[in-house]
Amino acid sequence: ETGVTQTPRHLVMGMTNKKSLKCEQHLGHNAMYWYKQSAKKPLELMFVYSLEERVENNSVPSRFSPECPNSSHLFLHLHTLQPEDSALYLCASSQGGAQAGDTQYFGPGTRLTVL
Amino acid sequence: AQSVTQLDSQVPVFEEAPVELRCNYSSSVSVYLFWYVQYPNQGLQLLLKYLSGSTLVKGINGFEAEFNKSQTSFHLRKPSVHISDTAEYFCAVSDTGRRALTFGSGTRLQVQP
Repeated sequence: ETGVTQTPRHLVMGMTNKKSLKCEQHLGHNAMYWYKQSAKKPLELMFVYSLEERVENNSVPSRFSPECPNSSHLFLHLHTLQPEDSALYLCASSQGGAQAGDTQYFGPGTRLTVL
Repeated sequence: AQSVTQLDSQVPVFEEAPVELRCNYSSSVSVYLFWYVQYPNQGLQLLLKYLSGSTLVKGINGFEAEFNKSQTSFHLRKPSVHISDTAEYFCAVSDTGRRALTFGSGTRLQVQP
């Protein structure tokens, strides 16, 4: 595997389910990001991790819970989601410690549908 | 607070024609500027970025962009497009002191034969 991978690629869940999104980067980077891409809205930054420490949390509801066990893996745990949470969730990584100006490398995303 | 405006949501163009995708930003401090491309069913890929120095930035796939500080713009250009350039293009900005990227809403480039 190369680059940034995300699993699953598609996920359908009910509002009472608990699921997790997984992201893995094979680039030796130190920072990882979660973004939400909704239809007709700009990409929204959700969380940033630098060296496994959460350094940014953009007022994301608590039903989204990130986890970064090491610099190569990032998870997004989901519970009691709402239909408006349906979106493409993108993971990205960058080489430095999430510095301004760093190039971010994106995974293909997980298409989430909440019924 | 910073913001990014991509003035065109869709740009149809014929193959081998030139194209310009417009991006304007607002910020009270110095910025870094980026253009990313998203092909169908894929994540975003960096086309080019401006950090400092020459205001004309060349990127991959024959794209270039020019930073205009007085007009707070960072328009993307390509002199001759191909069918394979059909994709969504995103302009993004970050303050030089912050790590977060602010994205525009995207421009869908549709190249027609």
